[in-house]
Amino acid sequence: KAGVTQTPRYLIKTRGQQVTLSCSPISGHRSVSWYQQTPGQGLQFLFEYFSETQRNKGNFPGRFSGRQFSNSRSEMNVSTLELGDSALYLCASGQGGGETQYFGPGTRLLVL
Amino acid sequence: AQTVTQSQPEMSVQEAETVTLSCTYDTSESDYYLFWYKQPPSRQMILVIRQEAYKQQNATENRFSVNFQKAAKSFSLKISDSQLGDAAMYFCAYRSLTGTASKLTFGTGTRLQVTL
Repeated sequence: KAGVTQTPRYLIKTRGQQVTLSCSPISGHRSVSWYQQTPGQGLQFLFEYFSETQRNKGNFPGRFSGRQFSNSRSEMNVSTLELGDSALYLCASGQGGGETQYFGPGTRLLVL
Repeated sequence: AQTVTQSQPEMSVQEAETVTLSCTYDTSESDYYLFWYKQPPSRQMILVIRQEAYKQQNATENRFSVNFQKAAKSFSLKISDSQLGDAAMYFCAYRSLTGTASKLTFGTGTRLQVTL
């Protein structure tokens, strides 16, 4: 089975712009979770989608949003980018229960 | 809310030796999963090992094993016969089984160096 894929792998944006990141889960997985990784805050949970519904949300401002499509692919959007949004954004997929989440390679976002 | 603590920011081990990474967690729940993930310089998070809280037997995956002490809320990772490829950041993570949430709570990580 192919692993979790994320596109793009690298992204440079300027403050005020918006960005959309994409994640394709492992085939058969219906849960997709997003995490932000920064040197200062570590790994923080953004949100989780399951069967096209947001099931759980972390403590991030409303500028961070996401969605999931019927094929389980997920997108994450960040509007009005700030310098502090520079981070590695990791996507993880799972079957939807309490079992293991498998991570993609991440998208490195740099906001200038 | 659950918290995960990794008190060793950095560890070093010689090739072929054994090293133990520490992790403690705080929770009021009785059912949960614990994980160790490895993040090499490529930044890809790779699952190392998983432990279900209801299982008394410690999980083992080849050279990797855990010491799970539920009452003490401790979950350490032992790496035997360390190899250069084991050099990475290691994250301990907690996942609740309450409700349907799939959120992972991570520790701050331990950077493992492997020397010749």
